[in-house]
Amino acid sequence: ELKVEQNPLFLSMQEGKNYTIYCNYSTTSDRLYWYRQDPGKSLESLFVLLSNGAVKQEGRLMASLDTKARLSTLHITAAVHDLSATYFCAVVGPSSGTYKYIFGTGTRLKVLA
Amino acid sequence: SQTIHQWPATLVQPVGSPLSLECTVEGTSNPNLYWYRQAAGRGLQLLFYSVGIGQISSEVPQNLSASRPQDRQFILSSKKLLLSDSGFYLCAWTLILRGRVTEAFFGQGTRLTVV
Repeated sequence: ELKVEQNPLFLSMQEGKNYTIYCNYSTTSDRLYWYRQDPGKSLESLFVLLSNGAVKQEGRLMASLDTKARLSTLHITAAVHDLSATYFCAVVGPSSGTYKYIFGTGTRLKVLA
Repeated sequence: SQTIHQWPATLVQPVGSPLSLECTVEGTSNPNLYWYRQAAGRGLQLLFYSVGIGQISSEVPQNLSASRPQDRQFILSSKKLLLSDSGFYLCAWTLILRGRVTEAFFGQGTRLTVV
């Protein structure tokens, strides 16, 4: 069974600080997706990581993928209040030819002024 | 461009009543379609996914069912709702490009409260 785990589940941080969210998955996959969800809203795509070693950056967020370790990270640089949201990673699996889209547990981020 | 419509946005239903949520995709063909449920403050639970008309894969045994009567239409149903069916229901679609699944695009969601 494909499992996708994130940590931490909850993160409260001061503005201006840096932090990293981790996403571990249990099966082979060569791509990984990150999403953002604002309270009461749907999900918005942030990053698509397509291969081992892929790195994507948008503003204060940077995502990377290590397929050998089955690990992706979402790094937050100099956090601002607008980044407060829940962040999900997602993987397709558990095997090729399947289209199950499984999401991680989510990380609820709160940036304090 | 592709768009996804999901309705209704909110729904309050009594226990034991039926349910029908609809999702349609525009601007693309042969999408993979998904239904997720999100309990308050929790993650996304995959309920059903479909790779084509009439092809439904069920992930969680429960009193819900799904149907795909047309290529771009996905329906989530229940004959009798339970209190535990309350949650935020999200429809999503992906495509297959060069043999790989694309990122998922989500509808605006339906907030269901069973009372």
